Amino acid sequence: EDQVTQSPEALRLQEGESSSLNCSYTVSGLRGLFWYRQDPGKGPEFLFTLYSAGEEKEKERLKATLTKKESFLHITAPKPEDSATYLCAVQGGYNFNKFYFGSGTKLNVKP
Amino acid sequence: DAGVIQSPRHEVTEMGQEVTLRCKPISGHDYLFWYRQTMMRGLELLIYFNNNVPIDDSGMPEDRFSAKMPNASFSTLKIQPSEPRDSAVYFCASSLEGSGSPSDEQYFGPGTRLTVT
Repeated sequence: EDQVTQSPEALRLQEGESSSLNCSYTVSGLRGLFWYRQDPGKGPEFLFTLYSAGEEKEKERLKATLTKKESFLHITAPKPEDSATYLCAVQGGYNFNKFYFGSGTKLNVKP
Repeated sequence: DAGVIQSPRHEVTEMGQEVTLRCKPISGHDYLFWYRQTMMRGLELLIYFNNNVPIDDSGMPEDRFSAKMPNASFSTLKIQPSEPRDSAVYFCASSLEGSGSPSDEQYFGPGTRLTVT
């Protein structure tokens, strides 16, 4: 069954405490893997797209990596403003046109 | 650019009534997506269009849901008749086809919070 699983469901960090969020997928025909950030009461905000295993992308304190089975979102020295829900999505499936979303990781960074 | 515009922002209706949600994508974007988000099911893709043509509507829950895109600057999502389990936040998003995936850099609207009593 094609699906995307994110872990942990929730993560509490102290400001400056680096960590990683995981997104594992069992979707055939991967066309792209996407990371979004969502703040309460708002729509998701695009962060990264990764297309092939070994690819990495960075933006400020965030770095996304991709393997054949999972992706990691590394957060280096997080700040309270990084607190949000981080969503992972995969495009793929038998016709490469399906989208599968994970349930998200709620990150709380305390000062 | 004003970004993706959705209306109304909030909608409260009674079970059995017709509900129409509206979306104006970012000018020049080729793709338009409709999503639904609930606490129980998370974010779900309902349907998406490319150049006004529906590409995948397999996420549409049932026949009570329908979506149209009559032109490049407007789309509607209609629920008829509405039921309490349709209560959710509905997001519209748009993107510009580039060298990668059509869902590269999707820009989401602020959402419509629908409550069906």
